[in-house]
Amino acid sequence: EAAVTQSPRNKVAVTGGKVTLSCNQTNNHNNMYWYRQDTGHGLRLIHYSYGAGSTEKGDIPDGYKASRPSQENFSLILELATPSQTSVYFCASGEGLGGYEQYFGPGTRLTVL
Amino acid sequence: SQWGEENLQALSIQEGEDVTMNCSYKTYTTVVQWYRQKSGKGPAQLILIRSNEREKRSGRLRATLDTSSQSSSLSITGTLATDTAVYFCGGSSALGRLHFGAGTQLIVIP
Repeated sequence: EAAVTQSPRNKVAVTGGKVTLSCNQTNNHNNMYWYRQDTGHGLRLIHYSYGAGSTEKGDIPDGYKASRPSQENFSLILELATPSQTSVYFCASGEGLGGYEQYFGPGTRLTVL
Repeated sequence: SQWGEENLQALSIQEGEDVTMNCSYKTYTTVVQWYRQKSGKGPAQLILIRSNEREKRSGRLRATLDTSSQSSSLSITGTLATDTAVYFCGGSSALGRLHFGAGTQLIVIP
């Protein structure tokens, strides 16, 4: 039973459309993260959260919003999707910040046309 | 801010060989984590090594951390075809955010 799940797994969106990526974790971790992964860049942090109701900007937050309505759920929202946001998005959870392991979901492949 | 200097590299070796992958970093780092990502999957942690542990082993894996040269390495002994994956390191201070390098694509030929 996967501890971090993401939905959808694949998404095709149109430029200017709204996209919501969802993440659920059953690890009971306080911290959750959204990354994007592009060839040559590795994993880059978009937003993260310390717990329900909190969201923090990561290294590349422009064009993205995040929502953490509960301990288990963390969403990434693209209000006006652009082709440059075509990427693979990963959600992760962890007990704390850098000194702790992060547990990743399977990823969502997003294509913005 | 950029943590690591590496670009995505590729290594192709024969099954049974040993391999070492390296990672260098620019910013203050006291914890390094190595992750493996198989094709189509999310990353999974292999080893976490702290600045007071110059070396850490787990099965066929060995990680080192040299804070004076700001570098870390991951060695795999007796590679298997199932070790084919992207390996990347991430670093942070103990309470800071984790930053990742671009990784190394390892291909192990059976």
